[in-house]
Amino acid sequence: GDSVTQMEGPVTLSEEAFLTINCTYTATGYPSLFWYVQYPGEGLQLLLKATKADDKGSNKGFEATYRKETTSFHLEKGSVQVSDSAVYFCALRGSGGYQKVTFGTGTKLQVIP
Amino acid sequence: GAGVSQSPSNKVTEKGKDVELRCDPISGHTALYWYRQSLGQGLEFLIYFQGNSAPDKSGLPSDRFSAERTGGSVSTLTIQRTQQEDSAVYLCASSSGQGAMGEKLFFGSGTQLSVL
Repeated sequence: GDSVTQMEGPVTLSEEAFLTINCTYTATGYPSLFWYVQYPGEGLQLLLKATKADDKGSNKGFEATYRKETTSFHLEKGSVQVSDSAVYFCALRGSGGYQKVTFGTGTKLQVIP
Repeated sequence: GAGVSQSPSNKVTEKGKDVELRCDPISGHTALYWYRQSLGQGLEFLIYFQGNSAPDKSGLPSDRFSAERTGGSVSTLTIQRTQQEDSAVYLCASSSGQGAMGEKLFFGSGTQLSVL
């Protein structure tokens, strides 16, 4: 079945540091890929997405590129801020009519001033 | 409604009791999902509804767990004879269900279940 593997946290960075959170997936066909974010005390919300190979999703300075050859969708940001402290979840939606969305285990990011 | 609504927000129960968790999705959303979020365990898929039917119940941990959806809207997740390992945050999400590849999920705030 479909699965998502993401790097374990917590990740602690200083403000303005470069961020990478690794995500790889296993799925048949051509899934859609997502990053969701859960800020402290808030519900999960979509951060960015990509629906086909080589697509780049971007939002709020975060980027991730759909790499089919490496089955990866790594999240990056060039300069993190304290306000980026949150838990980040990589997810995939299977292709075809079936719409189950599978999530990774989440990576907690803490940015310190 | 404006967003996905879950109730109660917190539930404390004694081991062995039954509990019902409710999810009210965004109006018009045909797809509805239940997930469980445990400390350090990420988001565990439980069940997915398309309309009133559940094409995928594979994530339900045991036969103590069941869910239904009526009228293509409200869903109830029932846990019978609760155990301490059932303690977690239960999240509900909905999406339009139109099948678009990039279709996103809208999450509720969750129900924090504590089994004593």
